[in-house]
Amino acid sequence: SQELEQSPQSLIVQEGKNLTINCTSSKTLYGLYWYKQKYGEGLIFLMMLQKGGEEKSHEKITAKLDEKKQQSSLHITASQPSHAGIYLCGADGTSAGNMLTFGGGTRLMVKP
Amino acid sequence: NAGVTQTPKFRVLKTGQSMTLLCAQDMNHEYMYWYRQDPGMGLRLIHYSVGEGTTAKGEVPDGYNVSRLKKQNFLLGLESAAPSQTSVYFCASSYTSGTGDEKLFFGSGTQLSVL
Repeated sequence: SQELEQSPQSLIVQEGKNLTINCTSSKTLYGLYWYKQKYGEGLIFLMMLQKGGEEKSHEKITAKLDEKKQQSSLHITASQPSHAGIYLCGADGTSAGNMLTFGGGTRLMVKP
Repeated sequence: NAGVTQTPKFRVLKTGQSMTLLCAQDMNHEYMYWYRQDPGMGLRLIHYSVGEGTTAKGEVPDGYNVSRLKKQNFLLGLESAAPSQTSVYFCASSYTSGTGDEKLFFGSGTQLSVL
C-alpha cells in the first residue's frame, strides 16, 4: 500500500514568515493531493499534482511535485493566522481509482 | 449546497454498545468512503463503496460494517464498540474515477468516544 510520510509533524511560525511542508512517498505517485483541515472541521481540497515537476499555486500557497514523482512540498509565503490548521497530503498509488491514502498530517500554528 | 452531511456530530458510547453513523451526499457521486482520523496517523480508510449496493474493505476494516443501499447514503456500523474505536470519523465522496483529476468531498466529521 502507499505510504506517505509528512514532515514536520507540527510547526509554529510567526505571522509573515515563510514555511514548507514535505510529503514523501514510498512509491511513485500517480496523483498527489493536498488538503487542509481547520481544527474541528472536515478537509478542504487545496491542490492536486500529477506530472513530474508540476507546480501549482493558489493565493499564497504553492505545491510542487518532484521530477521523480515521489516527493511533494507545500510552501506558504508570508503566513497568516488563517493558514493555521492541519495539512494532509494524500496519494493514489495506482493509475486508476481514487482510494486515497493520507500522510500523518502537519499541524501548523501561526502566531500573530 | 449541502455537499456531504454526517450525523451525528458527537457521540459517546459505552464499551459493547452499537451505533450507526450516517453519511449522505447530494452530488450524485458514485464513490463514497469512511475514514478515521487519529492523532499523528492522518486519515485511514475503513471501508469504501464504488457504487450503490457495493462495498469493499479499506486499510482498517475490523470492527466495522458498512452498507450502501442507496446511492446517496453510506452507513458505518459499530456492532460492539471498543475504546480503540474512539476517533474522529470522516465520510467522503467523489465522482467516478477516470482521468485521475479527482478530489474528495468531505463531511465535517463525527467525534466518537467509547468509554
